Amino acid sequence: ELKVEQNPLFLSMQEGKNYTIYCNYSTTSDRLYWYRQDPGKSLESLFVLLSNGAVKQEGRLMASLDTKARLSTLHITAAVHDLSATYFCAVGDSGGGADGLTFGKGTHLIIQP
Amino acid sequence: GAVVSQHPSRVICKSGTSVKIECRSLDFQATTMFWYRQFPKQSLMLMATSNEGSKATYEQGVEKDKFLINHASLTLSTLTVTSAHPEDSSFYICSARVRGYEQYFGPGTRLTVT
Repeated sequence: ELKVEQNPLFLSMQEGKNYTIYCNYSTTSDRLYWYRQDPGKSLESLFVLLSNGAVKQEGRLMASLDTKARLSTLHITAAVHDLSATYFCAVGDSGGGADGLTFGKGTHLIIQP
Repeated sequence: GAVVSQHPSRVICKSGTSVKIECRSLDFQATTMFWYRQFPKQSLMLMATSNEGSKATYEQGVEKDKFLINHASLTLSTLTVTSAHPEDSSFYICSARVRGYEQYFGPGTRLTVT
């Protein structure tokens, strides 16, 4: 059974600071996703990581994937209030994208002025 | 970009009644759609995989007779919650697989059973 663990589950930080969210998964996977969810809303796709060593960046967010360690990170640089949200990582557990995703519990991020 | 819509966005129903939720891919054809459920302040849990023209595949612990899924066309999947009870109150979100690995999520349907 595929398990996905995120940490921390809750993070309060100040604007301008850097921080990293970690996502570990238990079995081999060929795809790792990061999503953002605002309160009462659905998911916004941030990144899809498909290969070992993949790194993607969008604005103040950067995601990386280490398939050997079964670890992905989401790094936040110089946080701003608008990044406050819940961030989920999710993993697909079979090849070709045929199956649905297994999600981590989410990281509730609050960025304070 | 790929757009997935859901209808209704919110629904309140009485215990014992059935509710149908629609998931549509607006600008692409989706052979596979997924249904997830999210309880307040929790993560998303995959309920079932909906394949066009065939029976849905349900995850362990999800009652297929209670959560009826129909994927009659390449742009529409429906989830019917039959004989709903208060414990079925949740946020139901569908997604569609696009271009191999990409998955796009609908806006969700908030179901409240009174």
